[in-house]
Amino acid sequence: QLQLQESGPGLVKPSETLSLTCTVSGGSISSSSYYWGWIRQPPGKGLEWIGSIYYSGSTYYNPSLKSRVTISVDTSKNQFSLKLSSVTAADTAVYYCASSQQLVIFDYWGQGTLVTVSS
Amino acid sequence: QSALTQPPSASGSPGQSVTISCTGTSSDVGGYNYVSWYQQHPGKAPKLMIYEVSKRPSGVPDRFSGSKSGNTASLTVSGLQAEDEADYYCSSYAGSNNLVFGTGTKVTVL
Repeated sequence: QLQLQESGPGLVKPSETLSLTCTVSGGSISSSSYYWGWIRQPPGKGLEWIGSIYYSGSTYYNPSLKSRVTISVDTSKNQFSLKLSSVTAADTAVYYCASSQQLVIFDYWGQGTLVTVSS
Repeated sequence: QSALTQPPSASGSPGQSVTISCTGTSSDVGGYNYVSWYQQHPGKAPKLMIYEVSKRPSGVPDRFSGSKSGNTASLTVSGLQAEDEADYYCSSYAGSNNLVFGTGTKVTVL
């Protein structure tokens, strides 16, 4: 059974870049069966898909965030990462990493990590 | 892209059924059979309950069922139990390798 764990700074300053890593255990990130995605949830609000990556490196981004998002994979460490640039207070949220089948079915989730954007 | 529309709340007594709607457009819910439903308890990560409109992952009770008609998908929880009290989110493939979530529904067990 896959296990995912997010890590990264809990506080980021406005205009800077948010960087998070998701470590995958219980399976290989190189598996052709899975996509690896990031989803966020502002406090008290709903879920928003940020983007996903296939082990081959193909990426898929939410059009509303595409200009600021980069998702990458490090197969040697069994990790994938999220970078979100030029952050504002509106980017404050719990960020989840998750595995997905066929891009759109998120079956295993990390516990989530709260990132606050504040000076 | 706009979030799929869900009612903010729904409720039912133990043993009763509750149905949650998820309304989109022909570009998302109505156009593809890739609707999923997630359950989220407070402070926890979402859990996949239904995928591809009506399929249940292993371990999800058969009290949970999904369906779709036109641009609206639905999740029905039969035989409500106290542990079903949670937030529920739908999601749908929206074409062009894009995914959209619903606005979320808080289910209360009276």
